[in-house]
Amino acid sequence: GESVGLHLPTLSVQEGDNSIINCAYSNSASDYFIWYKQESGKGPQFIIDIRSNMDKRQGQRVTVLLNKTVKHLSLQIAATQPGDSAVYFCADRYNYGQNFVFGPGTRLSVLP
Amino acid sequence: GAVVSQHPSWVICKSGTSVKIECRSLDFQATTMFWYRQFPKQSLMLMATSNEGSKATYEQGVEKDKFLINHASLTLSTLTVTSAHPEDSSFYICSAPPRDRGGNQPQHFGDGTRLSIL
Repeated sequence: GESVGLHLPTLSVQEGDNSIINCAYSNSASDYFIWYKQESGKGPQFIIDIRSNMDKRQGQRVTVLLNKTVKHLSLQIAATQPGDSAVYFCADRYNYGQNFVFGPGTRLSVLP
Repeated sequence: GAVVSQHPSWVICKSGTSVKIECRSLDFQATTMFWYRQFPKQSLMLMATSNEGSKATYEQGVEKDKFLINHASLTLSTLTVTSAHPEDSSFYICSAPPRDRGGNQPQHFGDGTRLSIL
């Protein structure tokens, strides 16, 4: 991901709607990508991952899309629930290493 | 599933105190662990990579003598913030990457340590 500054983008969605959170990464050699959810005062929690040889992966209520051409990653959450309110980070790894670079994060607020 | 435990979860201490934070992998062995620092409303910034049985690898700009890392066993890494000052106040998070069958490594994170230096 690209850590681009101090501002945390915010996405507000109505409960029951679908959410789409976007992330850009900079390294064309990145081979593995993860989405994390972080609730206040807690560590990041793994949501879903995708390898660079894939362009889509689905989990329970979540889908990750990878567009390597434009170095873009997105997380789709279906039927967003209040419990989905958190900060979401993308992270990418390059060259099969163990280090991940985290994006700036997006705060998701679910409105009742 | 894999769990990483971090202790303590919250520390308040006076300026000049040294503070030790522990990171344990509970049901897997971790030859490598990572220490991150997170300021409010910001992303995670990697501070250092803790290597079992050898010296830690620090990221550029991170003071080695300030943030001492020890990884004495396959399940425990410690971060000691020496002579802490108010500017060291932050949220410190550790992670460990257990390998899955495919060789990919979704890092598992501890719940972080909130460090407040008065």
